[in-house]
Amino acid sequence: DADVTQTPRNRITKTGKRIMLECSQTKGHDRMYWYRQDPGLGLRLIYYSFDVKDINKGEISDGYSVSRQAQAKFSLSLESAIPNQTALYFCATSDSTGLVGETQYFGPGTRLLVL
Amino acid sequence: LAKTTQPISMDSYEGQEVNITCSHNNIATNDYITWYQQFPSQGPRFIIQGYKTKVTNEVASLFIPADRKSSTLSLPRVSLSDTAVYYCLVGPRGGSNYQLIWGAGTKLIIKP
Repeated sequence: DADVTQTPRNRITKTGKRIMLECSQTKGHDRMYWYRQDPGLGLRLIYYSFDVKDINKGEISDGYSVSRQAQAKFSLSLESAIPNQTALYFCATSDSTGLVGETQYFGPGTRLLVL
Repeated sequence: LAKTTQPISMDSYEGQEVNITCSHNNIATNDYITWYQQFPSQGPRFIIQGYKTKVTNEVASLFIPADRKSSTLSLPRVSLSDTAVYYCLVGPRGGSNYQLIWGAGTKLIIKP
């Protein structure tokens, strides 16, 4: 969905390096999420944010940190990258109006390779 | 938290109707059921969502029995472009302090 953008789309880094993945959205949604996907597996939630002042750990937050700079921006950082963090990372947004069940809109993904 | 179970893979042929079932035995009263489609190297895309009985849109139907412990995504007259991974998601409407539970996904392969 073009309303959710991720940068970079591809990244190669070395073990021990700090990297940041960025996500921006123009959908006006209050909730944002970071997921990780490994080959052949489903999505696993890393962190989620319900508004600028609300950050929550997901299923696999160890080794990651996030920053919600504004309603439209949610960044994921790997403070010291390790090879098993090689994966496809997705950002997603959703609307919390509560009128319907949770529907998420995903970005195109960032493919990260840690050597 | 509801845990979902789906078949790992399925295959079918162009023009056929495909039904993918998701089991969610511990679904909560305020949980909705949502299905997503994912093509390789792309983010998942919303297909359909429901709470009970039957929901239909332009691309699929969702059947949910009265006990809501399972749901079936029905894709009518599939084409090669329907080859993708399909995920079943169970989660509450609104609220806070929850985690979304994704099924492992069903890899659907459509053959000519």
